[in-house]
Amino acid sequence: AQKVTQAQTEISVVEKEDVTLDCVYETRDTTYYLFWYKQPPSGELVFLIRRNSFDEQNEISGRYSWNFQKSTSSFNFTITASQVVDSAVYFCALTGPQGGSEKLVFGKGTKLTVNP
Amino acid sequence: DGGITQSPKYLFRKEGQNVTLSCEQNLNHDAMYWYRQDPGQGLRLIYYSQIVNDFQKGDIAEGYSVSREKKESFPLTVTSAQKNPTAFYLCASRGLGSGANVLTFGAGSRLTVL
Repeated sequence: AQKVTQAQTEISVVEKEDVTLDCVYETRDTTYYLFWYKQPPSGELVFLIRRNSFDEQNEISGRYSWNFQKSTSSFNFTITASQVVDSAVYFCALTGPQGGSEKLVFGKGTKLTVNP
Repeated sequence: DGGITQSPKYLFRKEGQNVTLSCEQNLNHDAMYWYRQDPGQGLRLIYYSQIVNDFQKGDIAEGYSVSREKKESFPLTVTSAQKNPTAFYLCASRGLGSGANVLTFGAGSRLTVL
């Protein structure tokens, strides 16, 4: 069975601090996809990144970066120089080789609060 | 702008009443989904539809019903059989050929049973 664990329930930082959100996953599939979504207070989930299991390159997008390590089954998300607008709940998710969104398994989310 | 519209944003219901949540998309997406979110929990799939006039149960379909008569619409009915209906409900869609598995979400509907 697939499982996604986000051990950090809530994180609070001061603006401009760097923060890393952890995501550990379990799957028996050799092909799979990992995602991060952001849920701001408005409620709508916003897609941030998708990574397939064959691409272990880290990715950077502005202040956001992702570290994918198959050896530790982790897909961590780092925000550099955090801003108040980064305050949100962040979800990590996993799906298998069929790629169907109906099989998307979400972690419980990490609530990030960035204080001015 | 293309997107997903969910209504109402907030809804209150008395026990024993059915309620229908609306989800409309103008993205021309084929697949649509309903998720339930409870405080401190991840999202759990209720129902999904990959094509008009067809839908499948997700992980927690009991007490819910859906229809897919039009491509752009996927309403969710929370029936009186749902024992704990108070939750935040999110509708999502995905286009065939869109970045694999990437869902577009609506802003959600918060249902409270009094």
